[in-house]
Amino acid sequence: AQSVTQPDIHITVSEGASLELRCNYSYGATPYLFWYVQSPGQGLQLLLKYFSGDTLVQGIKGFEAEFKRSQSSFNLRKPSVHWSDAAEYFCAVGANTNAGKSTFGDGTTLTVKP
Amino acid sequence: DTAVSQTPKYLVTQMGNDKSIKCEQNLGHDTMYWYKQDSKKFLKIMFSYNNKELIINETVPNRFSPKSPDKAHLNLHINSLELGDSAVYFCASRQATRETQYFGPGTRLLVL
Repeated sequence: AQSVTQPDIHITVSEGASLELRCNYSYGATPYLFWYVQSPGQGLQLLLKYFSGDTLVQGIKGFEAEFKRSQSSFNLRKPSVHWSDAAEYFCAVGANTNAGKSTFGDGTTLTVKP
Repeated sequence: DTAVSQTPKYLVTQMGNDKSIKCEQNLGHDTMYWYKQDSKKFLKIMFSYNNKELIINETVPNRFSPKSPDKAHLNLHINSLELGDSAVYFCASRQATRETQYFGPGTRLLVL
């Protein structure tokens, strides 16, 4: 069974500081990995995804994530956080089958201090 | 142009009522989903449909009945609403051969 763990429930960073959100997954084969962002009162927006190839993937809004198979991790990073990045972040793992089930982590709430 | 749309955006109702939430996608995707996000923001899949066929039913009470009249629509009907059904319900869709899901804006359901 596939699963996702986001160890940090809540993270607070200062505006301009760097950010890393952790994600660990469990999956029997090569995983497809995603990061979504949810702003307050909004739906989920895809930040980036990893299917194969280069293990460092670039996303929107200046985010990037690195797939590390040996650590079963897919951590999200941003070099300099903006106040507008305050939101809920979800990591997800899925398989490219017709069932198409994606499993989401429980989310990390990001607060940005001025 | 809205890719995945849901109606209504907000729904406030009494316990015991029956209500429906509608979802439409104009992306030409084959697969559609319903997710429930509770007050702690945990996001759990409820149902998945592929080409109008039910693929995933994640032990959801049978008070919840999804209906897919065509590939572009996946509606969720809920009978005998309970307080614990209060949540945000998200519809999503994706192509069969790619795993990127596109989410609707959510329907905020409050059961009193």
